[in-house]
Amino acid sequence: QVQLQESGPGLVKPSQTLSLTCTVSGGSISSGSYYWSWIRQPAGKGLEWIGRIYTSGSTNYNPSLKSRVTISVDTSKNQFSLKLSSVTAADTAVYYCARLPVFGWFDPWGQGTLVTVSS
Amino acid sequence: QPVLTQPPSASASLGASVTLTCTLSSGYSNYKVDWYQQRPGKGPRFVMRVGTGGIVGSKGDGIPDRFSVLGSGLNRYLTIKNIQEEDESDYHCGADHGSGSNFVGYVVFGGGTKLTVL
Repeated sequence: QVQLQESGPGLVKPSQTLSLTCTVSGGSISSGSYYWSWIRQPAGKGLEWIGRIYTSGSTNYNPSLKSRVTISVDTSKNQFSLKLSSVTAADTAVYYCARLPVFGWFDPWGQGTLVTVSS
Repeated sequence: QPVLTQPPSASASLGASVTLTCTLSSGYSNYKVDWYQQRPGKGPRFVMRVGTGGIVGSKGDGIPDRFSVLGSGLNRYLTIKNIQEEDESDYHCGADHGSGSNFVGYVVFGGGTKLTVL
């Protein structure tokens, strides 16, 4: 059974770059037709899709974040990563990684990791 | 892109039934919507996908038969019968913005509905 786990700093200073990694266990990140995705949720608010990367390396990003987001994959480590540059307090949220089959739904999800942007 | 609208809150008594609504913006009546359950302090989990013809595919792992869906026009409904305490959660709807073969690759979510079990 595939499981995902987010990791990374819980505190990032304004204007710096947020970096998170999602480690995939129980299956190869290279196998099957999947997008590997990042989603975030500010406290008390709804979910916001950030972007995704296909196993081939092609990416799609939320237009509202596109200029600041980079998602990459490291197949040797069975991980994919998120970088969000020039962060502000508005980027404070719980960040989730999730697997998305092509034409499917997000499943499974990681447990989420809280990232706070503060000086 | 489509906008998904959900009421911020809903409530139902233990053992009763409740229907949660996700409304697509005009022009997107052919879109399928995915429902996710998020228990307090946990990550979301997939419940099921719904189109105008009802459920699409299968339910998520461990989703009981008490959960069902319907779709009509711009509305996508999630009904929970015989509500239990463990159903108290936030329920989110989401949709993949694409049009046939012209796949845009953009995912949108509604604001979520907080279900309280009385």
